[in-house]
Amino acid sequence: NAGVMQNPRHLVRRRGQEARLRCSPMKGHSHVYWYRQLPEEGLKFMVYLQKENIIDESGMPKERFSAEFPKEGPSILRIQQVVRGDSAAYFCASSPALNNEQFFGPGTRLTVL
Amino acid sequence: AQSVTQPDIHITVSEGASLELRCNYSYGATPYLFWYVQSPGQGLQLLLKYFSGDTLVQGIKGFEAEFKRSQSSFNLRKPSVHWSDAAEYFCAVGANFGNEKLTFGTGTRLTIIP
Repeated sequence: NAGVMQNPRHLVRRRGQEARLRCSPMKGHSHVYWYRQLPEEGLKFMVYLQKENIIDESGMPKERFSAEFPKEGPSILRIQQVVRGDSAAYFCASSPALNNEQFFGPGTRLTVL
Repeated sequence: AQSVTQPDIHITVSEGASLELRCNYSYGATPYLFWYVQSPGQGLQLLLKYFSGDTLVQGIKGFEAEFKRSQSSFNLRKPSVHWSDAAEYFCAVGANFGNEKLTFGTGTRLTIIP
């Protein structure tokens, strides 16, 4: 059973460009979470999604950030008009329904030049 | 709102010595508690978790943790560390039912000296 997959593993963008981060949850998992880890800090919750629904986006910045988890395909975290402060590692986790254990992917490290 | 405090930013221990990493949490009800380990440039691996029942939890790689409700603590222990245990360790708390987001501490970096 493959683990949580994230791609790309590393992403470099210039200020003002868009970043798209993808997450494929473990097979059978319908809950996806996105976390951000700034340098030298712990992980901060961003958003929690189930198939086609955003359940909790209390950790998402109000502007430029969006997330989706369509019926088919991976979950996408989209950052528009990136700024240097968006440079961080973005981790995706998945869990099966009604279970609080989350399995983490390897992360996408975003660098904004 | 839930929160987690890991008071030790960096700990150095000798290989073969015992280890205890501290974690204190704040949550209004019985929490779900987790310890994760992160090697440099890698994702997070679950070491152990506490949902309910026995307050002494055994995990992978010889780690254990004890849930102490009276002290709001969930400290991680290992009787004898190996050089491969050098990594960043994160304690996390999750709500029981409903919102399943995890709140992480700021982490403890563990260095092992020969």
